[in-house]
Amino acid sequence: GENVEQHPSTLSVQEGDSAVIKCTYSDSASNYFPWYKQELGKRPQLIIDIRSNVGEKKDQRIAVTLNKTAKHFSLHITETQPEDSAVYFCAARGYSGYALNFGKGTSLLVTP
Amino acid sequence: ETGVTQTPRHLVMGMTNKKSLKCEQHLGHNAMYWYKQSAKKPLELMFVYSLEERVENNSVPSRFSPECPNSSHLFLHLHTLQPEDSALYLCASSQDYPTGNTIYFGEGSWLTVV
Repeated sequence: GENVEQHPSTLSVQEGDSAVIKCTYSDSASNYFPWYKQELGKRPQLIIDIRSNVGEKKDQRIAVTLNKTAKHFSLHITETQPEDSAVYFCAARGYSGYALNFGKGTSLLVTP
Repeated sequence: ETGVTQTPRHLVMGMTNKKSLKCEQHLGHNAMYWYKQSAKKPLELMFVYSLEERVENNSVPSRFSPECPNSSHLFLHLHTLQPEDSALYLCASSQDYPTGNTIYFGEGSWLTVV
């Protein structure tokens, strides 16, 4: 099955700075890469996703980039705000049909 | 947002008890999932059901028994659990497994085994 590595495990930034979270995957046939945000005590919620036929996708302050050759993808959050503080999970789904496999998460803290 | 609802939200059970977790999705999806979330393994896939048939089972101990009576409901039957099974159990659903898109999670059921 797919193996997803996520770094860093914790990230602390000041409000207004940018945050970058990186993930690598093992299955070269993987074709779908979502990012989920989980606030304390709440469910993981999709914030952005990208498919293997696209190299970059942006939604306001959030962007995701995908490098298929290197098998890694990244989440970029610009102009961070305290409400961005949460645990972020990357995931990948292989073409073989396995369900989403998640990274171990990054705990992001945005300090005012 | 009440797309995927889980009950109970909190459960404390002894190691000899039998209990069940329930999940219901109101999104018209045809695939449902159980994930286990703990400090050691943040989001660990347990079971996948597509069109009410189990399609994946990730080497989960037999003390966890899933049931999917229809495309809207999913159960996780629990018996003779161990303290290390204490975790947050998340149900999720999606459309058109495996090529479908987003999976939507429920709020989870916090399980404590004493």
